[in-house]
Order: sequence, then C-alpha cells, then structure tokens
Amino acid sequence: ILNVEQSPQSLHVQEGDSTNFTCSFPSSNFYALHWYRWETAKSPEALFVMTLNGDEKKKGRISATLNTKEGYSYLYIKGSQPEDSATYLCAHFNSGNTPLVFGKGTRLSVIA
Amino acid sequence: GAGVSQSPSNKVTEKGKDVELRCDPISGHTALYWYRQSLGQGLEFLIYFQGNSAPDKSGLPSDRFSAERTGGSVSTLTIQRTQQEDSAVYLCASSFPGTGYTFGSGTRLTVV
Repeated sequence: ILNVEQSPQSLHVQEGDSTNFTCSFPSSNFYALHWYRWETAKSPEALFVMTLNGDEKKKGRISATLNTKEGYSYLYIKGSQPEDSATYLCAHFNSGNTPLVFGKGTRLSVIA
Repeated sequence: GAGVSQSPSNKVTEKGKDVELRCDPISGHTALYWYRQSLGQGLEFLIYFQGNSAPDKSGLPSDRFSAERTGGSVSTLTIQRTQQEDSAVYLCASSFPGTGYTFGSGTRLTVV
C-alpha cells in the first residue's frame, strides 16, 4: 500500500447502531497515524494521534486501534448518534518532519 | 490566537485573476501546512513550513501556486491566473512537528 486508503467511502446507519471503519496505510517507516472528524461547514477536528503498535485509544463512544505491522487502524463508534454524522479522516506520516498524507475519508450519516 | 484563522472564508473570482488566501496559525506552533479539497477528492497536501527551514513545496500543483510565511507566523497562499480547476476548499493547519494538527475553517474558492 503506497497511500492511505479508507473504507467504506460512505456509510448510513440508524441511531443506536455501532459501526466501524478501516484505514490502511504503508507499514514501512511508520511514525504516526491520526484520525480526524470533519463536520460539514466546520474545521477538521483531531480525534486521536496513535504511535505504538497495539495502541487503543478512546474518547467517549469513539475508539480506535492500531496495527503498525500490517498497516491498518480501525475506528469504532458505539451507539451512533445523529451528531456523529461527519466525514472521518485518517492520516499517516512516516516522519515527524513530513506532512500528513490523508485518506479520502469515510462519510458517516446517522439517521434518527 | 486561540485557533487557526483563515480569510476570506469565501472567495469568488474570475478565471485569470490572482487570489491571495491568508492563514494566521496558533501562536507558538512552528509548523504550518496548506491543503486543499476539491469536489469529490480527499485532502491534498500543497505546502509545509517548519520553523526557519526551506518549505516543502512538493505538493504545489503548478508554478501558478506560491506561498510564503512571514516572521514564522502568518502565511499567504497566492494563486496566479486562476483556473476553474483551482476551485476547492483551501485549508490551513498548524502544529508542533509530529503532533495533531489544528485546522482553520478554510477558504472556499470558486473560479468562474
């Protein structure tokens, strides 16, 4: 994998459902993996910065895991709410002195 | 300041005109980044400033694009002789190197 790839591209879930998305990234020369949430008409907001293989981070109902050896991260949302509707971006860099490379995002719509 | 400030928030310009987009990063953040999102695309890296080092311009799509950062703070992205394909949301972010980015709210550029 040369770029950051995210799947699915979009997702529609019912309120209360739990969901997850995938981010794949180059596993060589790993430095850090970031997750951002981008709501319409707002700025992307940092969710997690993950650096260690096996890392698991949690923020309220949202959590993320990291596997640097195989080059993937999962983002989980438990009990989705309409306010979770946003585009979730994953980004990777292989050095502290290079810019983040972003995936195209997963657009989540939570239907009340 | 408290956040990353971008201006203008919206800009409509005629094809062939020059435009300047401004970014005022968080005070103390040494790294500043410009990205853009064209319709249906992911976040595309444009240029990266880090302290007093030469900027990483590897993402600039053509020589019509340039950027400067004065005094290690405010940055201006200039697009000369705008084309319709330059229409996009231009996002600025700042950070300490290797840490999570704080994004501005973006400038929506429309070239007509």
